[in-house]
Amino acid sequence: AQKVTQAQTEISVVEKEDVTLDCVYETRDTTYYLFWYKQPPSGELVFLIRRNSFDEQNEISGRYSWNFQKSTSSFNFTITASQVVDSAVYFCALSDENRDDKIIFGKGTRLHILP
Amino acid sequence: EAGVAQSPRYKIIEKRQSVAFWCNPISGHATLYWYQQILGQGPKLLIQFQNNGVVDDSQLPKDRFSAERLKGVDSTLKIQPAKLEDSAVYLCASSSPGRGTTYNEQFFGPGTRLTVL
Repeated sequence: AQKVTQAQTEISVVEKEDVTLDCVYETRDTTYYLFWYKQPPSGELVFLIRRNSFDEQNEISGRYSWNFQKSTSSFNFTITASQVVDSAVYFCALSDENRDDKIIFGKGTRLHILP
Repeated sequence: EAGVAQSPRYKIIEKRQSVAFWCNPISGHATLYWYQQILGQGPKLLIQFQNNGVVDDSQLPKDRFSAERLKGVDSTLKIQPAKLEDSAVYLCASSSPGRGTTYNEQFFGPGTRLTVL
């Protein structure tokens, strides 16, 4: 069965600090997809990234970066130079090749960026 | 382009009452999803429509939940009768194949927060 674990329930950092959100996943599939979503206080989920299990290259997008390590089944998310607007709940998620739109979400990490 | 619209944004009912939520997806999006997000957890898929047909309702508690998508556009999710454990945010999402990609990114609405007393 597929499972996503986000061990950090809540994190608080001071603005401009770097912060890493951890994600560990479980799957028996050889092909799968990993996601990160952001849920700001307004409620709607915002898609951040989708990663194929065969692509282990790290990715950087502005202040966001993702570290995918298949050997440890982890897909961690780092925000560099955090800003107050980054305050939100962040979800890591997983889907398989056959149903890449059936997304299994972790419980989320609530991130507080303090001014 | 308008996003996914949902109404109402908040609803408070007593247990055993009925409630309905409405979703209007992004124009042209063929696929529509309803998720349940219980406090402190990630969203869980309840039902997925492709146009007006059901693709997946394996996690929908069919004894009390029902959903329809008439004409393949708007959708309604109903709970009858509601239980205390149905208190949650109900999120609607829609997707459509993008040009040059096979991945159907899901766009989410703001959700309806249901409180069952």
